[in-house]
Amino acid sequence: EIVLTQSPGTLSLSPGERATLSCRGSQSFSSSYLAWYQQKPGQAPRLLISGASTRATGIPDRFTGSGSGTEFTLTIDRLEPEDFAVYYCQQYATSPRFGQGTRLEIK
Amino acid sequence: QVQLQESGPGLVKPSQTLSLTCTVSGAPISRGSYYWSWIRQPAGKGLEWLGRIYTGGTTNYNPSLKSRVTLSADTSKNQISLQLTSVTAADTAIYYCVRDVTFGYFFDYWGQGILVTVSS
Repeated sequence: EIVLTQSPGTLSLSPGERATLSCRGSQSFSSSYLAWYQQKPGQAPRLLISGASTRATGIPDRFTGSGSGTEFTLTIDRLEPEDFAVYYCQQYATSPRFGQGTRLEIK
Repeated sequence: QVQLQESGPGLVKPSQTLSLTCTVSGAPISRGSYYWSWIRQPAGKGLEWLGRIYTGGTTNYNPSLKSRVTLSADTSKNQISLQLTSVTAADTAIYYCVRDVTFGYFFDYWGQGILVTVSS
């Protein structure tokens, strides 16, 4: 089982700033198996990124995924008010598993 | 546009079986190389994958729940079903039905979720 650890747990930033969210795997795996999701209160998660770096349909280019091996990053440039949410990474290298989430809150 | 809608009892007694149905619209569940998964989320907590089914007959389950989870599919009704046996309060959660793009290793379409509470 590959366990994902996300950091930080909470990130406090202002609109217009850049957010950098980290996802670390307990062992190395192919970047093909890494996805990112956004979840707002009362809503289901929404797919943002697959294959570590491929944006899903309709996702703005402010969202950038990168990384390989055990270290993956989601970067959100020029934060918009609607970007403040909880973000999850997910691996499918083994039985699908999610990180514990990073809460991005308005400072 | 694929849409998924979960349905079932919102309250289940401890030790009983939780049964949920997911009705899919916008595409036949038997078409394409898609699996259909269930994912749950306790209030204020993270996401846990429960299992997946391919209408060709393949099922896979989370090892931590394998003995309690059963997925099935009814292609005539375009529905996916989840059964979770011997429930406890720890099974209280929002349950999501999800299209599983297994060949792409992600989940692209999600139902709105259904809250199931385990309580006597």
